[in-house]
Amino acid sequence: DAGVTQSPTHLIKTRGQQVTLRCSPKSGHDTVSWYQQALGQGPQFIFQYYEEEERQRGNFPDRFSGHQFPNYSSELNVNALLLGDSALYLCASSLNGAGGQPQHFGDGTRLSIL
Amino acid sequence: QKEVEQNSGPLSVPEGAIASLNCTYSDRGSQSFFWYRQYSGKSPELIMFIYSNGDKEDGRFTAQLNKASQYVSLLIRDSQPSDSATYLCAVNRVTDKLIFGTGTRLQVFP
Repeated sequence: DAGVTQSPTHLIKTRGQQVTLRCSPKSGHDTVSWYQQALGQGPQFIFQYYEEEERQRGNFPDRFSGHQFPNYSSELNVNALLLGDSALYLCASSLNGAGGQPQHFGDGTRLSIL
Repeated sequence: QKEVEQNSGPLSVPEGAIASLNCTYSDRGSQSFFWYRQYSGKSPELIMFIYSNGDKEDGRFTAQLNKASQYVSLLIRDSQPSDSATYLCAVNRVTDKLIFGTGTRLQVFP
């Protein structure tokens, strides 16, 4: 049973560039959430996708956008990268409507901005 | 006031002892409570979740929830050096975003 998979594992970009991160949810899960984790901090919620729509959004600027595909996989796009965007980006999947079932995380994408 | 608060630690315990990790939250509407373990450079791994007041045990781990006091704890019995990690407390409303604390770093020494 495949867990949550994310790609790429590591990425190095320069300021002003754009990046796309990808996530495939755990088998049987239909909801994908994205989090940003800075060094020494807990993960911060970016947004959540269900039924190919953004259902909730955290306190992140519009430079952060996403998409969910019919197979439940998801992408996170970040435009006009800033040095402060350097972080571990985590994708978590869960099953909607299952009474608060836990979210399971992928291994993350470590993004470094030079 | 932070939404989820944890002591950053480090909490140092000898091998074989009980480690007690604590977490408080501010939103009384929170319904689900989770503990994740995160090794350095790795992603969070779910170890326990609890929805109702009281205790929930799974192997060496016990989660405790007191909604009246807005308090969640995690006990690790017979602590092992391999338990050394950062433990993240997270809360949410059903289908809602997870809100994390900053984590407590646990060190188990031989």
